[in-house]
Formats: sequence, C-alpha cells, structure tokens
Amino acid sequence: AQTVTQSQPEMSVQEAETVTLSCTYDTSESDYYLFWYKQPPSRQMILVIRQEAYKQQNATENRFSVNFQKAAKSFSLKISDSQLGDAAMYFCAYEVNSGYALNFGKGTSLLVTP
Amino acid sequence: GAGVSQSPSNKVTEKGKDVELRCDPISGHTALYWYRQSLGQGLEFLIYFQGNSAPDKSGLPSDRFSAERTGGSVSTLTIQRTQQEDSAVYLCASSLVEYYGYTFGSGTRLTVV
Repeated sequence: AQTVTQSQPEMSVQEAETVTLSCTYDTSESDYYLFWYKQPPSRQMILVIRQEAYKQQNATENRFSVNFQKAAKSFSLKISDSQLGDAAMYFCAYEVNSGYALNFGKGTSLLVTP
Repeated sequence: GAGVSQSPSNKVTEKGKDVELRCDPISGHTALYWYRQSLGQGLEFLIYFQGNSAPDKSGLPSDRFSAERTGGSVSTLTIQRTQQEDSAVYLCASSLVEYYGYTFGSGTRLTVV
C-alpha cells in the first residue's frame, strides 16, 4: 500500500514566524513527484510547491521551502515569515512516474495568529 | 475558462435520489481527475480521463458511481441512489502535463439527507 502520513493534525504559528509541517510517505517506486497543496476555506486546492524525487536540491518558492530526505521518505514544508493568508489546510501528496493519481495525506490545519 | 469550474457549488439531496456533478476543466487540459474528500479524511482518487483514452475507473467506490467526459472537455460525475455515506466534497482537477501538479476546482459539497 502506498500511504502519506501527516502526523500533525493542527499547527499554530504567530504572524512573521516560521513553521514546519511534517510529511512522510511510503512507496516502493524510485521515480516520483512530491507536492504540497493548500486548501483555504474556499475549498480550492492550490499547489504550493513541487519536488522531483530525482533532484537532491530542495525546492523553494518564495517563503515556502521543503526539506526532502529521500532515504527517510520525508518531505516537510517550511513556511517563513508566516502571514494571515497562510491559514489553511495543507496536504502533502505524491505521484509516481508510472501512474497519474495523487496520493494524499489527511492534512494539517495551520492557524496563523496575529 | 481561466480555471476549473464545478457546479453546483453545494447540493443537498434525499437518500435514494440520483445526482449529477459537473466539471468544466481548463481549456486545452487533456487530463481530468475526480477526487472525493470526506470529513476528516484525505482526498480519495475516483476516476481519471486522458484525452481519448479509456478512463481509469479504478477508484470508483461502487457501481452507483459513473462518470463521462464529452468531447474531451466537460465531465459529469453521476451518483445513483445516493446514500448518506456519499456525503462529501467532490473535487475535479485538470492538467496539461502530468507530474507538474493539477489545477483544482472549488468542488461540490454533496449532502445526502
């Protein structure tokens, strides 16, 4: 079975601070892609960041960066300088190169306090 | 359109009734996906369409669920004889190139009473 585990159901961070969301996954495939999606109350899933498993360099998108540890099958998301608009559910997911369906974790609810 | 459009946004139906959920993907996106998001759960893959190829229906939970995609564009997800456990948010997504992430719609919240 292929699974994604997000061990933190809820996280809280103060505005302007940094927070890290954890994600581990389990796949027997060696070629795959990893994603973090954000889901605000509007329900629309928004792609935050993407990482190819064959790349050692961690992906970065402005205030968002990942710590990808392939051997440990870990893919954490770091949000720097947190903003009120970052409050949302965050989902970790992966997609194997031999397939096309995203495998999602159950999400982490991020609260940002002023 | 500029994004993936889903309708209706919310749907309340009586147990046993049939419902149709619509998805209008981004123009030119050949891949289209349906996912189901139940309360407290992650997203569950339902079905995948790619161009004119036969769809992958492996995620459909029962034969009460079916989906079609007409003209390689608009897709309809049909649930027959709805049950309370069908209550969920149904999300549609489309993509031009796989593995680069999908564009999701805002979903349809289905409530079966």
